[in-house]
Amino acid sequence: DADVTQTPRNRITKTGKRIMLECSQTKGHDRMYWYRQDPGLGLRLIYYSFDVKDINKGEISDGYSVSRQAQAKFSLSLESAIPNQTALYFCATGPSSGLDTGELFFGEGSRLTVL
Amino acid sequence: SQELEQSPQSLIVQEGKNLTINCTSSKTLYGLYWYKQKYGEGLIFLMMLQKGGEEKSHEKITAKLDEKKQQSSLHITASQPSHAGIYLCGADITGTASKLTFGTGTRLQVML
Repeated sequence: DADVTQTPRNRITKTGKRIMLECSQTKGHDRMYWYRQDPGLGLRLIYYSFDVKDINKGEISDGYSVSRQAQAKFSLSLESAIPNQTALYFCATGPSSGLDTGELFFGEGSRLTVL
Repeated sequence: SQELEQSPQSLIVQEGKNLTINCTSSKTLYGLYWYKQKYGEGLIFLMMLQKGGEEKSHEKITAKLDEKKQQSSLHITASQPSHAGIYLCGADITGTASKLTFGTGTRLQVML
């Protein structure tokens, strides 16, 4: 089984619908991240969390919300999806000791298409 | 504007050729991470560099961080089809070791 699991892997939805992308991890990491990837723009950080009670906005948080239900679970919601939220979304986890001691571990991505 | 610039954006090389990908920032790179992504899949960690002048190698891939810690290069020797994919540099540009900012990526194709 993968260390970082994202569901769904693919989703097509319509403008205005509410969408939730889920992420679960077995790494035992405290830190979890949501990124989106668009062609030519690399990965951009949406939200990140250092523990269940610590949620932080990234560079492009508008239009998104997150929930850290447990150490191992971090979900991303689009309350009212719009077409420019069509992208590949990645969840990642990292060690609580910080990035200077370890890398981020990524899920395989959730491809979201908003029509 | 992008805080981490990668060049080139895409690269097509003949199998067996060497190539270099660059990652440049106007800010100090407190930690620099190279990842590889196969098309439509997740990112795989390659290497981490932290000290100015540091160089690391794994198989045929060598990464360097310049002395000023504002530029990194990834060099592939004798490229193979298995090297094809998207290479992304990620960096801690805040010095807090809390999150990575990523470059735009370099798409590499290796022709037989």
